Amino acid sequence: NAGVTQTPKFRILKIGQSMTLQCTQDMNHNYMYWYRQDPGMGLKLIYYSVGAGITDKGEVPNGYNVSRSTTEDFPLRLELAAPSQTSVYFCASRGEGDNQPQHFGDGTRLSIL
Amino acid sequence: SQELEQSPQSLIVQEGKNLTINCTSSKTLYGLYWYKQKYGEGLIFLMMLQKGGEEKSHEKITAKLDEKKQQSSLHITASQPSHAGIYLCGADPSGYALNFGKGTSLLVTP
Repeated sequence: NAGVTQTPKFRILKIGQSMTLQCTQDMNHNYMYWYRQDPGMGLKLIYYSVGAGITDKGEVPNGYNVSRSTTEDFPLRLELAAPSQTSVYFCASRGEGDNQPQHFGDGTRLSIL
Repeated sequence: SQELEQSPQSLIVQEGKNLTINCTSSKTLYGLYWYKQKYGEGLIFLMMLQKGGEEKSHEKITAKLDEKKQQSSLHITASQPSHAGIYLCGADPSGYALNFGKGTSLLVTP
């Protein structure tokens, strides 16, 4: 019962460094999402994908990039990390059909210093 | 865009007490999702409501969607420490991704 797996769980970066947050799911879901969660602010959508090879911007895409080469994986890339990107990042996936719930990973806690 | 407002922002209740969390939408809801987040962990799906007047229950948690489909409530009966966490409502206006409220933080004291 792996579901949605995110790695790493914690990371500290220096300003200007780059890194990739990994997300993989084993439910054969076409839809995948990246959110960030800041204290008291709920979740904001960064990018989403409706299937392999298809990605689109969400509400807060600046400073991030994604790719979707396989159904299972949806990595999130941070280029030139900035303190404003300190946050908790969640990956989610859902199956086809109306009103299917999203399934979330446990999150990656990222600090930019 | 669809805005979701949750109230209260935070709640401290004594174990055994009942409580209600509200989620109000700026537009008609065509699907309202409730999630629970334990502190420091991911989101767990609780329930999804779609029809006006719909009510669903799971263990001691009951969620309702009003007839006008612009407000939902989450009611917990006889709260327990295991109910503590952040409760978030989410709606899907686009058919692709969820908009979330800012969450309600619940603490249950002995």
